[in-house]
Amino acid sequence: DADVTQTPRNRITKTGKRIMLECSQTKGHDRMYWYRQDPGLGLRLIYYSFDVKDINKGEISDGYSVSRQAQAKFSLSLESAIPNQTALYFCATSDPTQGPYNEQFFGPGTRLTVL
Amino acid sequence: ILNVEQSPQSLHVQEGDSTNFTCSFPSSNFYALHWYRWETAKSPEALFVMTLNGDEKKKGRISATLNTKEGYSYLYIKGSQPEDSATYLCATPTGGFKTIFGAGTRLFVKA
Repeated sequence: DADVTQTPRNRITKTGKRIMLECSQTKGHDRMYWYRQDPGLGLRLIYYSFDVKDINKGEISDGYSVSRQAQAKFSLSLESAIPNQTALYFCATSDPTQGPYNEQFFGPGTRLTVL
Repeated sequence: ILNVEQSPQSLHVQEGDSTNFTCSFPSSNFYALHWYRWETAKSPEALFVMTLNGDEKKKGRISATLNTKEGYSYLYIKGSQPEDSATYLCATPTGGFKTIFGAGTRLFVKA
């Protein structure tokens, strides 16, 4: 089984709808991240969480909110989806105890289309 | 503003060809350089984590070098195979919470 899973894998929705993307991990990592990927651009950080009680905005948090329900779960919500939120969304985890600048571990992505 | 640039944007090669890509990053306040391999519909996976100037890492037919003084890293693939077709991402942590990702080099290997 994958260490970082995301649901749904694909979603088509309409402008104005509320959408929740879910991420679960079995790696036991405290740090979790949400990114979006747009064609021709690098991954951009939406929100990050260093533990259950610590949630922080990334560089493009407007229009998004998150919830860290447990160490293993980190959800991303779009309160009122708009077409320019159409993108590929990745969840990731990292373990700073293995080195402060170690790699991140990614889920398979959720492709979201907002019509 | 930190930028990570990757070139080329895409690359088409024949099976058996050797190829290389470039990742350019700010050389000041360097912490580490990550290379990821991302196959379509799958999770990006780390290939290498490099921290020291002059680092060379190798995994099978794939290798990478790092020059932190001039701010670049090369990824080499020797004898490309169709299963090497993927997007190769490089990224650099900024020392805080953020990692800056390049847009990737998409490699297509034709059999």
